[in-house]
Amino acid sequence: AQRVTQPEKLLSVFKGAPVELKCNYSYSGSPELFWYVQYSRQRLQLLLRHISRESIKGFTADLNKGETSFHLKKPFAQEEDSAMYYCALRGNQAGTALIFGKGTTLSVSS
Amino acid sequence: DAGVTQSPTHLIKTRGQQVTLRCSPKSGHDTVSWYQQALGQGPQFIFQYYEEEERQRGNFPDRFSGHQFPNYSSELNVNALLLGDSALYLCASSPRAGGVNTEAFFGQGTRLTVV
Repeated sequence: AQRVTQPEKLLSVFKGAPVELKCNYSYSGSPELFWYVQYSRQRLQLLLRHISRESIKGFTADLNKGETSFHLKKPFAQEEDSAMYYCALRGNQAGTALIFGKGTTLSVSS
Repeated sequence: DAGVTQSPTHLIKTRGQQVTLRCSPKSGHDTVSWYQQALGQGPQFIFQYYEEEERQRGNFPDRFSGHQFPNYSSELNVNALLLGDSALYLCASSPRAGGVNTEAFFGQGTRLTVV
């Protein structure tokens, strides 16, 4: 079965602390993995994808096929990082649908 | 470019009624997908339209149907509404031609409340 699991509903950290939002997936094949973010009163938007291997707003995520994980990390959290984060996967064929996890709320306080 | 636009933003319906939600994709996008996001859950895929045909469908009953128009805009119809259909309905658009390296852009959503 295709599934994305985000074990934490809420992650609270202090400003400047490291952040790791966990994501595990189940998929038969080689999926694309994504992190989407939703800031307060804004629409869902793409944060980063594993094929880009880039850092966005200081966030990185590495695909670990052995552990079927795609954890999102940032060394020093900022208050503006507070948002809802969704991990998602998509099959490697054009046009296939996104499968989302339930999301993790990140709260960064000073 | 206004991006993906959805209407209405909020809607209240009674059990048993029917509802139609609308989506205009981002300029240059020809593929539209619909998602249901219940409270506290991640978005769940309903179906996807491309070239005016339903191309892929998630695990939703036939009460959920859709349509895509020649201008790529789309409608989501839900018949015989149940209380459990109360959710945020998201529309996402993407360009088919980009293959797997395409990004899906989401609308703000329509908040449907069934009473």
